[in-house]
Amino acid sequence: DVKVTQSSRYLVKRTGEKVFLECVQDMDHENMFWYRQDPGLGLRLIYFSYDVKMKEKGDIPEGYSVSREKKERFSLILESASTNQTSMYLCASSTPALQGSGNTIYFGEGSWLTVV
Amino acid sequence: GESVGLHLPTLSVQEGDNSIINCAYSNSASDYFIWYKQESGKGPQFIIDIRSNMDKRQGQRVTVLLNKTVKHLSLQIAATQPGDSAVYFCAEPINDYKLSFGAGTTVTVRA
Repeated sequence: DVKVTQSSRYLVKRTGEKVFLECVQDMDHENMFWYRQDPGLGLRLIYFSYDVKMKEKGDIPEGYSVSREKKERFSLILESASTNQTSMYLCASSTPALQGSGNTIYFGEGSWLTVV
Repeated sequence: GESVGLHLPTLSVQEGDNSIINCAYSNSASDYFIWYKQESGKGPQFIIDIRSNMDKRQGQRVTVLLNKTVKHLSLQIAATQPGDSAVYFCAEPINDYKLSFGAGTTVTVRA
């Protein structure tokens, strides 16, 4: 089974703090993703990475950065957390080339971040 | 633009009955579709997928039907159980790195 593990399930951080969300996948997938999920807004892509040290902006990258130093690990960084970043964050991974290949994205269990 | 949407936001079903969850898509060139299940407080879980060269695909208690003529797919759950209560949403790749997700249907199973 595909396993995508997010190290923190629940976090409470103060406004202005630097926040790290860690994710590890054990399927040797090339692609890794960070999404946030909010009521009424669905899943929104923050950043993705298709290779080690490579990163691409998704739909809502503002206020976030990412790091991928190893193939199995993808970190999401909030440089200065704000209350509007309170959300559920989902890490995911996949083999390359989603379109036309039948490859899908597998998600982790999610990290609930509250910024106060 | 391309989008994947679900017809109904909620579905209440009696335990033991069959559930049908619908999804419409707009891109006639779409060739792959995925159904996810998301239980409360958890991440989306892959249920089943279907390629556009198929009309039907069956899994364990689940069946996905694809009607390319009307750009519609459905997820059928047989003998719905309490553990099936969740949000279900369809998705399709819109490029090599991005999925388009439907808004989701919340299924509630009545005992």
